[in-house]
Amino acid sequence: IAGITQAPTSQILAAGRRMTLRCTQDMRHNAMYWYRQDLGLGLRLIHYSNTAGTTGKGEVPDGYSVSRANTDDFPLTLASAVPSQTSVYFCASSPGGDTGELFFGEGSRLTVL
Amino acid sequence: GQNIDQPTEMTATEGAIVQINCTYQTSGFNGLFWYQQHAGEAPTFLSYNVLDGLEEKGRFSSFLSRSKGYSYLLLKELQMKDSASYLCALMDSNYQLIWGAGTKLIIKP
Repeated sequence: IAGITQAPTSQILAAGRRMTLRCTQDMRHNAMYWYRQDLGLGLRLIHYSNTAGTTGKGEVPDGYSVSRANTDDFPLTLASAVPSQTSVYFCASSPGGDTGELFFGEGSRLTVL
Repeated sequence: GQNIDQPTEMTATEGAIVQINCTYQTSGFNGLFWYQQHAGEAPTFLSYNVLDGLEEKGRFSSFLSRSKGYSYLLLKELQMKDSASYLCALMDSNYQLIWGAGTKLIIKP
């Protein structure tokens, strides 16, 4: 693995189903983020983690949960998917602190029917 | 609150110069960032300004005026591969990035 990896790259999901988007980085970055990107809107922060063992809510956290059991992994879970969660999801990492240089995964395109 | 504005779409000619503007309003400021995002791909970091002035990096330059809440990204000697969306983002007082909706740049031969 080089950089940051997301899985799956694409998924179609029935409403009400549970879904976990996986994110793994091998750069030993402290901070990790989950964003969603919708047409005409900027990237919106869902949840973040400044370091392993801690998480925080972003701008649009409702309906999503995260965990950060170790430095490398930061999964995003939709407990009961709804159509409004149809989006492209990007995981990102950074060394942390005041650096705004984020390294993004390739994205996960999720469609909820 | 915070607000970021940038044009939705711009068109330019190969070999020319284009300036993409970004204006913002914020109560806390820790830097202004530009990212490039090709269609269907992830954003990639281009530049960072925290002090007023121009930062040059090859064909790309970024300018910041904190007093005016204004930044621009200048792309010179445009190439077809520069066709992409350009995202302006500001770092707020909590060191979180607030993103603009992006400017889609179309390069014509």
